[in-house]
Amino acid sequence: GQNIDQPTEMTATEGAIVQINCTYQTSGFNGLFWYQQHAGEAPTFLSYNVLDGLEEKGRFSSFLSRSKGYSYLLLKELQMKDSASYLCAVMDSNYQLIWGAGTKLIIKP
Amino acid sequence: ETGVTQTPRHLVMGMTNKKSLKCEQHLGHNAMYWYKQSAKKPLELMFVYNFKEQTENNSVPSRFSPECPNSSHLFLHLHTLQPEDSALYLCASSPQREDYNEQFFGPGTRLTVL
Repeated sequence: GQNIDQPTEMTATEGAIVQINCTYQTSGFNGLFWYQQHAGEAPTFLSYNVLDGLEEKGRFSSFLSRSKGYSYLLLKELQMKDSASYLCAVMDSNYQLIWGAGTKLIIKP
Repeated sequence: ETGVTQTPRHLVMGMTNKKSLKCEQHLGHNAMYWYKQSAKKPLELMFVYNFKEQTENNSVPSRFSPECPNSSHLFLHLHTLQPEDSALYLCASSPQREDYNEQFFGPGTRLTVL
């Protein structure tokens, strides 16, 4: 079966750095997506990785290791507005997105 | 005009009611999706339309009926729902079904079935 695992909840302090991990087992691989979802709002796209390595985009970076079935989202200089759920999703060989249950990130002052 | 809009934002219905959810995208995309999001569970893909043709139905009960009259509009018709159908229903779109582009989501309809 296809499976995406990520922690249910994480807590971090404003100004700090946090890493949200995602491991996956899927039928084929056409890339891995990270989305951010504030409570009561639409998920919004953060990053896409299809090759191994680190992609940096401002305060957010995303890493992929295809051989290990592993990705992480790194958030630097945390701000209160970063409190949200972070969703990991893998596009399988049929171009269907397989989603994790999301990681709720709580930022404390 | 925001990219993907959904109406209504909130809906409370009885088990015998019939209602419809509406989604509209202003992005010129050709693929549209319905997802169900329940608390602490992964998004569940329900239906996919590509160029107005339904390409996927992920074993969704017949009490959910999709309709895609054109590439910009998507409906989800609901009838005789069960309390366990209470969830956030998200619509999304992308340029086309088989590509590597991200999906753009609407804000969702929060559905409560009494």
